[in-house]
Amino acid sequence: DTEVTQTPKHLVMGMTNKKSLKCEQHMGHRAMYWYKQKAKKPPELMFVYSYEKLSINESVPSRFSPECPNSSLLNLHLHALQPEDSALYLCASSHRQGYQSGELFFGEGSRLTVL
Amino acid sequence: AQSVTQLGSHVSVSEGALVLLRCNYSSSVPPYLFWYVQYPNQGLQLLLKYTSAATLVKGINGFEAEFKKSETSFHLTKPSAHMSDAAEYFCAVSDGDGTSYGKLTFGQGTILTVHP
Repeated sequence: DTEVTQTPKHLVMGMTNKKSLKCEQHMGHRAMYWYKQKAKKPPELMFVYSYEKLSINESVPSRFSPECPNSSLLNLHLHALQPEDSALYLCASSHRQGYQSGELFFGEGSRLTVL
Repeated sequence: AQSVTQLGSHVSVSEGALVLLRCNYSSSVPPYLFWYVQYPNQGLQLLLKYTSAATLVKGINGFEAEFKKSETSFHLTKPSAHMSDAAEYFCAVSDGDGTSYGKLTFGQGTILTVHP
């Protein structure tokens, strides 16, 4: 069982909708990540939070808005998405050494379909 | 910049046969290297990691990988494949230097199929 929990597992939304993806971990990790994975492709980094502060934004469009309310929670707010944003969104976390080395703990993902 | 190349997007083996998944890396610094596995409709799980402590790294589920600097390779092996090993495997490299954020870069993935 994964220790990084993502909800919802599946989400279908229209291009005018506003929705949020949620991620929670209770491993005491202080770094959390959002990745986007298109079908048959490797994950692509979107955002990195370190100690609840945004440390990396990989030039992601503003229709994706991350939020880290506390050390255990990470949200991704979605607004005015495009059909090409349909993908599996993966949340991950890491301890300090993992933040430096790349050792991540992933959730099972939220599969998003934009109509 | 760091990168990894996985040779073979699909590998098919018989149950009980040797599994060999190939990964070559490019890195300007001593790398951190990883193998992650992704089962259908799931997230990624760390199989094993190389962080310079030992060149032969043992991971979960009977997998191991050997770091060969001279060949810039980090191939993943398992002596005897099991049906439950069917999944997609990603090799990854980090540009971390042990002091600041190390970005993880994934290879394109190799889908492993295991036949009865």
